[in-house]
Amino acid sequence: EDQVTQSPEALRLQEGESSSLNCSYTVSGLRGLFWYRQDPGKGPEFLFTLYSAGEEKEKERLKATLTKKESFLHITAPKPEDSATYLCAVQANYKLSFGAGTTVTVRA
Amino acid sequence: DGGITQSPKYLFRKEGQNVTLSCEQNLNHDAMYWYRQDPGQGLRLIYYSQIVNDFQKGDIAEGYSVSREKKESFPLTVTSAQKNPTAFYLCATHSGNTIYFGEGSWLTVV
Repeated sequence: EDQVTQSPEALRLQEGESSSLNCSYTVSGLRGLFWYRQDPGKGPEFLFTLYSAGEEKEKERLKATLTKKESFLHITAPKPEDSATYLCAVQANYKLSFGAGTTVTVRA
Repeated sequence: DGGITQSPKYLFRKEGQNVTLSCEQNLNHDAMYWYRQDPGQGLRLIYYSQIVNDFQKGDIAEGYSVSREKKESFPLTVTSAQKNPTAFYLCATHSGNTIYFGEGSWLTVV
């Protein structure tokens, strides 16, 4: 069975304090690893898709990396508007399995 | 305006009633999904459909039913057999390397 574990569950940061979120996974036949941002009461917003170990993608203050067993989402010099829940998901065939998410709070 | 439309945004259901959540997409995507989200938990897959007239159970299909008669539409019925239906429901579509989500529907049992 596909499993996705995200850590930590919650992360409180001071504005400008860089940090990383972890997503570890076990899946048979990985077709893609996805990162999403979700604001309260909203649908998840797509951030990145990673396909193979060693791949990296960046968007503004966010950078996602992938190894064979885990992915990291690095937040560089975060701002209060980066506060959200970040979800990781892995795809095997047509099934997408999600982790429980990391809730990030950035204080000004 | 392209995208995924879920309706209603908020729905209240009496115990013992069936309710149907609508999901419509104009993205021309083949695959569609229904997820349930509970506070502090990740998204859990209810049903998914790869093509019209075909769908598969996800991890928590008991108490739910779906249909896929048109490519654009993938309605979810929450039946009275679902013991704890109060949750946030999300519809999604898949194309290429991206999965897109609707804005969700809140279902509350009263």
